[in-house]
Amino acid sequence: DGGITQSPKYLFRKEGQNVTLSCEQNLNHDAMYWYRQDPGQGLRLIYYSQIVNDFQKGDIAEGYSVSREKKESFPLTVTSAQKNPTAFYLCASRNRGGTETQYFGPGTRLLVL
Amino acid sequence: AQSVTQPDIHITVSEGASLELRCNYSYGATPYLFWYVQSPGQGLQLLLKYFSGDTLVQGIKGFEAEFKRSQSSFNLRKPSVHWSDAAEYFCAVGAIGNEKLTFGTGTRLTIIP
Repeated sequence: DGGITQSPKYLFRKEGQNVTLSCEQNLNHDAMYWYRQDPGQGLRLIYYSQIVNDFQKGDIAEGYSVSREKKESFPLTVTSAQKNPTAFYLCASRNRGGTETQYFGPGTRLLVL
Repeated sequence: AQSVTQPDIHITVSEGASLELRCNYSYGATPYLFWYVQSPGQGLQLLLKYFSGDTLVQGIKGFEAEFKRSQSSFNLRKPSVHWSDAAEYFCAVGAIGNEKLTFGTGTRLTIIP
């Protein structure tokens, strides 16, 4: 069953702690994306990656880091430098050279203790 | 720069009534246009997309949208809504060769009996 999985569904972060959100896809898609969603603000792009070992900053990259060591995986680390991390985080993937359609995972909600 | 405007933050519709959600875009080239739906606490699901050809596109769950280049609009319609259609709806714009999508801020749909 092809798709995108995100884990965990809920994540709690303590002050000064780094946390990592997982995103895995078995769609054989080349490009992957991380978005942050806050109420009333739609989706804002954090980072994206078009190929393995390469990624670009989106509109709100400060306080976040990513890696793309494998085609199917694109983990997002929320660092202690991100002062307002409470949000819903969505991962998406896209098949390059296709119709630019992005497909989304179920999301991870990050809460600060 | 591309942009998307969804002028209605919240719409309430009676079950069985017709629905139209508005989306206006700004983009210099020929756009790709998308509508996604999001249930609470879930990821985004693709409803339909427009790339070229027939300006009236059909999607899942009985939704359709019409691309009007002269009005820079891509409004979503459904002739008769069901209680299960209550969700948040996002319009997005992209283009061939553009790795990123730009999302509107969303319209929350409430269905009343």
